[in-house]
Amino acid sequence: DTEVTQTPKHLVMGMTNKKSLKCEQHMGHRAMYWYKQKAKKPPELMFVYSYEKLSINESVPSRFSPECPNSSLLNLHLHALQPEDSALYLCASSPYGGPGPQHFGDGTRLSIL
Amino acid sequence: DAKTTQPNSMESNEEEPVHLPCNHSTISGTDYIHWYRQLPSQGPEYVIHGLTSNVNNRMASLAIAEDRKSSTLILHRATLRDAAVYYCILGAAGNKLTFGGGTRVLVKP
Repeated sequence: DTEVTQTPKHLVMGMTNKKSLKCEQHMGHRAMYWYKQKAKKPPELMFVYSYEKLSINESVPSRFSPECPNSSLLNLHLHALQPEDSALYLCASSPYGGPGPQHFGDGTRLSIL
Repeated sequence: DAKTTQPNSMESNEEEPVHLPCNHSTISGTDYIHWYRQLPSQGPEYVIHGLTSNVNNRMASLAIAEDRKSSTLILHRATLRDAAVYYCILGAAGNKLTFGGGTRVLVKP
């Protein structure tokens, strides 16, 4: 069992749909992360939030919009995605934005039709 | 971002030690060395991290070369549940992790 919970586990959406991915942790962590992982590739960092503020955006297209409403919750809003955006989206958290362990969820597998 | 180089795959027998090498010749003085592993259909799992000194925890040991240009993750007694992709990562400021290709470990019974 993971301490970082991601919902939904699977999502299929059309290119014109708007959907959101949700990530929740109750470990009191103040840094949260979004990663994207294509099949048979390593995870790639997308965004980092530190103390509810966006601290790193790895030049991610604007069709991905992150949001951190509070210290326990991280959302990723999706709009007008492309088929190449189909991937596993992983959320992680860490106690703070320093060099400590990150705890990952098991991801949302996203398919764009 | 500083890069790491790992073998693509390694095989081990169950209950034997596994030594996973990682080269990171461009490491900077403030980079931590992190190891994560990813089992099939799961998110990555933290294994261990260190800066200069060797580190031990319940999962593994991390041996860091004196010049810090390489490191080795040691699994003391491999089990079938240790079959995974192991990533060696240099952690830059802000805990930004840049994953490399990783080493796929196969454990044979």
